[in-house]
Order: sequence, then structure tokens, then C-alpha cells
Amino acid sequence: QSALTQPRSVSGSPGQSVTISCTGTSSDVGDYNYVSWYQQHPGKAPRLMIFDVTKRPSGVPDRFSGSKSGNTASLTISGLQAEDEADYYCCSYAGSYTDVVFGGGTKLTVL
Amino acid sequence: QLQLQESGPGLVKPSETLSLTCTVSGGSISSNSYYWGWIRQPPGKGLEWIGSIYFSGRIYYKPSLKSRVTISVDTSKNQFSLRMTSVTAADTAVYYCTSGADSSSSYYWGQGALVTVSS
Repeated sequence: QSALTQPRSVSGSPGQSVTISCTGTSSDVGDYNYVSWYQQHPGKAPRLMIFDVTKRPSGVPDRFSGSKSGNTASLTISGLQAEDEADYYCCSYAGSYTDVVFGGGTKLTVL
Repeated sequence: QLQLQESGPGLVKPSETLSLTCTVSGGSISSNSYYWGWIRQPPGKGLEWIGSIYFSGRIYYKPSLKSRVTISVDTSKNQFSLRMTSVTAADTAVYYCTSGADSSSSYYWGQGALVTVSS
């Protein structure tokens, strides 16, 4: 069982927007602004898409955005494209003892 | 631009020790700008953070793995390593070496190394 809870799957049509939630606790997501999101295509290494809740690394399209409210972080992908179909994982800093925890992953299907 | 490359045996027997090395290019492992870490992914499952080491000497391990895991740095070879003792089939996974500004934002990933635990 993963420390952070994500929906197993979400879907959307090209051009639409989807939001993936990531629920933690007051000891991780709720206590730190160090939430990140990774995209993983089959057989590939994950790619960092969002860090520090809302920041995008260079090269990540601005269609990807992150937010947080309380113990829940969210990744929103607007203007869905076929290449966005992938697994998405959230990650949060969880203090000096545990360091980081991951969510179980969400499979995004572009219909 | 950092590049990371994992190396090590792809098959380990149960109860034995798993050892992987990550070779870093494009930057110095002695840099205080990065952390160095390991994340694994069992076949068909999600990501699991194993541990991280910082230039300052701070080391963190996933609590449930702490008794079996050691991460170390070899500055002379620009490499860092993972050692996991007493492995079982549950440790079968793709092991990624990672780096970034901190372990909650891993920008750099190796291609991954599949390690199978089987007799």
C-alpha cells in the first residue's frame, strides 16, 4: 500500500482537461510544499513534470500544472494530447526521517 | 546536463546481496547541488523510493528497508552505489539511480536496471 493515494485510472478526450489527485496526510503533502509529479511511458524511465507543487522544469509544456489544498495535491493536464497517455506518479517530501513517499500511480488514457 | 547509468548483475540468488553502481557523467558527484538516490519499480507496479545521499553526508533510507540497504559514494570514480542484503523475490524490480536538487524532485534518471531475484 502506497503512502499517497491516487486514483487507479483517469481518462479524457483530446483537447479536454483532466485532473489527477494525490491524497496524503498532514505529515507529508499537508506539511510541505515539496510535491512533485512524474510521467512514465511504458518501458521508459519516469520524467519529472512538476516539482515544489507548482513549478515546471524546463521543457515541460505549460499544459501541465500543479496545485495543492490541504493534504491533497493535484496535477491538471489541459488540452489533452495523445502523447499524454502514460502513468503519472505523485511524490512528496515527508520529513527528515522518511524523506520521500510516492503515490501508487494513475494510468491516464486519452480516448 | 547530468547523465546516469546503472550497472550490476541482473540476477541475484535469494538471501544474497544485490549490488548496483550508478556512474555519473556531465557533473561531479562531489557537487553540493545534487542528491544521489535509488528508486525501484517491481514489474507492473509503482515507484518505491529506496534511499538518498547528499553531499553534506546526510543519508536517508526508506524505514522498511533501512536494515538491509546501504548507499555510498565513490568520489574517485564519480559513482554511487546501492547494496541490499538478504534479498527475496519481493526485491525483483527495475532499479533506477536518480539525482536532482533534492529527493522530492528527481530530474535526472538512469535508464533502469532490471534485477531478478531467483535461484
